Amino acid sequence: DAGVIQSPRHEVTEMGQEVTLRCKPISGHNSLFWYRQTMMRGLELLIYFNNNVPIDDSGMPEDRFSAKMPNASFSTLKIQPSEPRDSAVYFCASSLRAGTNEKLFFGSGTQLSVL
Amino acid sequence: RKEVEQDPGPFNVPEGATVAFNCTYSNSASQSFFWYRQDCRKEPKLLMSVYSSGNEDGRFTAQLNRASQYISLLIRDSKLSDSATYLCVVNNAGNMLTFGGGTRLMVKP
Repeated sequence: DAGVIQSPRHEVTEMGQEVTLRCKPISGHNSLFWYRQTMMRGLELLIYFNNNVPIDDSGMPEDRFSAKMPNASFSTLKIQPSEPRDSAVYFCASSLRAGTNEKLFFGSGTQLSVL
Repeated sequence: RKEVEQDPGPFNVPEGATVAFNCTYSNSASQSFFWYRQDCRKEPKLLMSVYSSGNEDGRFTAQLNRASQYISLLIRDSKLSDSATYLCVVNNAGNMLTFGGGTRLMVKP
């Protein structure tokens, strides 16, 4: 099992540019999550999908952020336009199903730096 | 007040020591609880779930106190490899996991 796969591992971009982060969840997992981690705010849930449908996006910071899950094996998180305060590690995670006791499997993360 | 609060540490302990971390949560309706471990520049990984009756996994013991709304993690006989950040995680409803800021542990020879 390859685990959750994220790309790119590192992204350096200039303010105002569009950034697209990609995630492939573990095959057979029905729930997918996007988290952001910073020193100041820790791990924050941005959005999660269940069976490819966005369930809760209340953590998405503003309209510059959007996420899609066109099929069960792929999701994107897009920031347009990017700003320096978006610099963080973005993690994608998946779980087998929705439920209070489900284990989350995280990808290795994308380190985003917006200059 | 943060939903899940942890002492950020660092906790510096010698090998072989016993160390305990606490975590408090604000939502009395929280349903399930976990400890995740995160190594430097790596992703978080589930360490153990926390059950009402308390549970043990080798050198690790987790306990839940619903009345006082706190969770604890005890590590016995600390190893160098235990050095990491330990994240307290609370599930309030459905899949809404809320992570604490983490407690950093450094085990020294």
